Parts: sequence; structure tokens; C-alpha cells
Amino acid sequence: SQTIHQWPATLVQPVGSPLSLECTVEGTSNPNLYWYRQAAGRGLQLLFYSVGIGQISSEVPQNLSASRPQDRQFILSSKKLLLSDSGFYLCAWIVRRNTEAFFGQGTRLTVV
Amino acid sequence: SQQGEEDPQALSIQEGENATMNCSYKTSINNLQWYRQNSGRGLVHLILIRSNEREKHSGRLRVTLDTSKKSSSLLITASRAADTASYFCATAGLNRDDKIIFGKGTRLHILP
Repeated sequence: SQTIHQWPATLVQPVGSPLSLECTVEGTSNPNLYWYRQAAGRGLQLLFYSVGIGQISSEVPQNLSASRPQDRQFILSSKKLLLSDSGFYLCAWIVRRNTEAFFGQGTRLTVV
Repeated sequence: SQQGEEDPQALSIQEGENATMNCSYKTSINNLQWYRQNSGRGLVHLILIRSNEREKHSGRLRVTLDTSKKSSSLLITASRAADTASYFCATAGLNRDDKIIFGKGTRLHILP
């Protein structure tokens, strides 16, 4: 069956430290992959999306970056975290355009 | 920027009553989707309505779409305590950019 794995569930990092969040998808090939950030009690902000290996579209210019080294792997990174990077990060995928999105359980990042 | 805007931002109703949430969007779309999020969790897809559809049902859910007004509504009938959650609309645009943009959500609280 198709599943999505996102980890860790919770992360506390000091300001200025690096970040690496990983998301992997099982049971499908060539999915579209998405990274969203959700501030407390707010909507989802699209950060990055990818339609294929090595293809990354950035929606929000900031100190975050994304990479897709393998078909079903999507990584969100930062070289130096800011306090404003705190939030709930969600990975999602769709099998093809105009279909439903499946979400991971999210990573709650607190930058201290 | 966000495409969808839900209203109300928060809604409290008695168990058994119907709950109606609305979503407005700005640009032409290919489809509109509704998702549910329990506190601190990932989003779960509820229903997708295509731009050439006007109404769609799934169990206790009824979604309407008015492309002339660029708006959609989600109706939950005979609400239950377990329906307490945040509800988001999301749109996929006509452009071949594969973006899925979410609104800010409606927080629904079902009172016992």
C-alpha cells in the first residue's frame, strides 16, 4: 500500500544550527512531493514542491532549501536555523496532477 | 500567497447540528479539495470536486462549487463530537505548475 514516512515527529534545535528533515514515500513511483509549514493555529504555507528527481520549485525565499536525491525521497534543509523557522512541517505527495494529496504526520520544530 | 480563504475562522455548534464552512479563491482552478486536520496531526483528504462539477456528496459531507463566484462550501450534517477538527480547502490551478495551495482553515468545535 502507499504510505508516507516523515521524521522526526518532534525536534528542538538551537538558533544557528543546521536542519535536515526527511520524507519518504512507499508504494508509488514518480510522485509529486511537497513541503508545507504551518504556524500555530494557521494555514499551510507551501515551501517547496518537486515533480521529479532533482527538480525543486521554491515558493518562499528564505534560509530553507529542499532536495530530491531519489524518486521517493524529499529532504528539507537549513544551514542555520532562525527563531522564525519554528513551526509544524508537513510533507505530502500526490500520485499525479489533480488527485488527492497524502500527508505525513508532520514534524514539530521548535527553534530555541 | 494563499489562494483559498475559509470562513468562518472558527465555528462552535451543538452535536447533531449541521456545520457549514465556506472557501473563496482568487484564480481559475482545476479542482478544489477539502481536508481535515486533527490537532497536531497531518491532514486527511475528505473530498475533491472538479471545476466542471457543482456538487458532490460523501457520507455526511456535501461540497458545492460555484466557479462563477470562485467559492465552495463544505456541509457536515448531523455533526458528532469526533468531527471537531480544523478544515481546510485547497486548490490546484490550471497552470501546469503542480502547486496545491491551502487556505487558513476553519476550526470546528462540536459541543456535547
